[in-house]
Amino acid sequence: KNEVEQSPQNLTAQEGEFITINCSYSVGISALHWLQQHPGGGIVSLFMLSSGKKKHGRLIATINIQEKHSSLHITASHPRDSAVYICAVRKNTDKLIFGTGTRLQVFP
Amino acid sequence: DADVTQTPRNRITKTGKRIMLECSQTKGHDRMYWYRQDPGLGLRLIYYSFDVKDINKGEISDGYSVSRQAQAKFSLSLESAIPNQTALYFCATSLAGTDTQYFGPGTRLTVL
Repeated sequence: KNEVEQSPQNLTAQEGEFITINCSYSVGISALHWLQQHPGGGIVSLFMLSSGKKKHGRLIATINIQEKHSSLHITASHPRDSAVYICAVRKNTDKLIFGTGTRLQVFP
Repeated sequence: DADVTQTPRNRITKTGKRIMLECSQTKGHDRMYWYRQDPGLGLRLIYYSFDVKDINKGEISDGYSVSRQAQAKFSLSLESAIPNQTALYFCATSLAGTDTQYFGPGTRLTVL
């Protein structure tokens, strides 16, 4: 069983919809990351969380340490949000463990 | 200009050939990483380096070697490429004491 599980694997939405992507992990962590991989392959870091909630523009990330669960929300989704969203966790080491990603397609 | 660059961006080679993928960064970060990405799998760590004199194996280092020529340069070599090394390879950097990693654009490698 993977230490980091994401759901759903694939997600399609109409422009304007509220999107939720989930990440569950089975190990103790010191931080959780959300990353975005563009269709061209490039990867950028969106958030790093160790507790609570962070917001950047239309993106909101939350984490529940007790439940070992994090969510990434996108409000008012847009076709340019189409990408693969990757959850990664840092255990008590300096290395990250990555989920397999959620592929999001937003249609006009 | 990109802060983390990878060369080449695409490479097709044959089984048994020696291949080098190069990564350079202008971010001044001390830590550098090599990952591979395969369809349906998460990014997997091949090697990482916390400074020029520190090289460590990741979870899938067999068949690969690395060289940290300078703080800004970290190369990945496939000594004798095989088809199951066909993948997308990413270099990343980070600063000690921080968590965020900055990724290069990736190198798509195909081994025939």
